[in-house]
Amino acid sequence: GQQLNQSPQSMFIQEGEDVSMNCTSSSIFNTWLWYKQDPGEGPVLLIALYKAGELTSNGRLTAQFGTTRKDSFLNISASIPSDVGIYFCAVTSGNTPLVFGKGTRLSVIA
Amino acid sequence: SAVISQKPSRDICQRGTSLTIQCQVDSQVTMMFWYRQQPGQSLTLIATANQGSEATYESGFVIDKFPISRPNLTFSTLTVSNMSPEDSSIYLCSVVPGHLAKNIQYFGAGTRLSVL
Repeated sequence: GQQLNQSPQSMFIQEGEDVSMNCTSSSIFNTWLWYKQDPGEGPVLLIALYKAGELTSNGRLTAQFGTTRKDSFLNISASIPSDVGIYFCAVTSGNTPLVFGKGTRLSVIA
Repeated sequence: SAVISQKPSRDICQRGTSLTIQCQVDSQVTMMFWYRQQPGQSLTLIATANQGSEATYESGFVIDKFPISRPNLTFSTLTVSNMSPEDSSIYLCSVVPGHLAKNIQYFGAGTRLSVL
């Protein structure tokens, strides 16, 4: 099946630092999504990207859909303790169900 | 978005038994999916729950082990049958709301299953 390569697998950062994570795929997808999962919860949608090259922000979060449609990155600026969690990239084309990356586990040290 | 309620939120079960997980949505949805998330892992699609017909299963998942029902556009159940400790996972219901133009999936809080 389709595979997404998400990196890094985990990150330990100081509060206030910026964070960057990315996903790559061997296939082209029409939609790239970024989710966050808190402990004991289901994934929550952060940002959705629909056009190659698109750059979208949601507060301190910024994500870009790569021009080749095979990659995306997520940046978090000025991290705070509540940013702790697991961040997943996910892709889809048309009406196919989402395929998820393996996740980036973020820890923020106050 | 859509409000998705999953029941139970967690359970501890004995091996060999079965558990049925319910997913209720506050609005009609075009697509519903069931995912499994093993401890420390990502989400893996089990099946697409089709309204009024048999579910479509992904490779590695079979109807006898994970029977799914979807009697209407707002409700679905997933049964984990003849459980073993390897079935200990989080099971997540996901939907695509019918009123949204984009194929965005929203998730329930999940059912945390432990099999002894």
